[in-house]
Amino acid sequence: GAGVSQSPSNKVTEKGKDVELRCDPISGHTALYWYRQSLGQGLEFLIYFQGNSAPDKSGLPSDRFSAERTGGSVSTLTIQRTQQEDSAVYLCASTTGGTGELFFGEGSRLTVL
Amino acid sequence: DQQVKQNSPSLSVQEGRISILNCDYTNSMFDYFLWYKKYPAEGPTFLISISSIKDKNEDGRFTVFLNKSAKHLSLHIVPSQPGDSAVYFCAASAGGDYKLSFGAGTTVTVRA
Repeated sequence: GAGVSQSPSNKVTEKGKDVELRCDPISGHTALYWYRQSLGQGLEFLIYFQGNSAPDKSGLPSDRFSAERTGGSVSTLTIQRTQQEDSAVYLCASTTGGTGELFFGEGSRLTVL
Repeated sequence: DQQVKQNSPSLSVQEGRISILNCDYTNSMFDYFLWYKKYPAEGPTFLISISSIKDKNEDGRFTVFLNKSAKHLSLHIVPSQPGDSAVYFCAASAGGDYKLSFGAGTTVTVRA
């Protein structure tokens, strides 16, 4: 497809389990972001990848969160030992690297019971 | 620490009238501002932006106004249409920083 693709669209898991969320950015986009939106909150920056540079992980809320981007394309966000406060919509976005216009996927809604 | 604030969580407007969405920010280093629109079950999509060197940017029915001294921007939609019913996010960045700071969003409902 032409847009940013995320999977799964919905994930329900039990507290303490690990989850993996996948993002397939727009082809040719060198920059990739993960944001999350908790209920009633704005979009919270998590992590940023740009080309082969070291990622900016400054937004990851704890060491239970990690992300990688393989081959400069697909990215996986992993949350270990999930907690109820991790419940949110996790949004991936990509761009050519300039400021401003990010292209978002539809998000992965995570519910931790 | 919310650096971008949208204090009105919702707005209801009659079709054909003007919708005015407000956004305040606290970081004086912000120099680029954007509005995104989000429909249910979809990702946000870019709507309009403005650089701090301007105080107004217009694109069709959408106009963004920036008041730097007040650290305030607004989005005007004229005339409002039913398809404008969505959540609108205000976002800002500083000095070419790739990280955008987002507000919590305003849900707009356009009544027929």
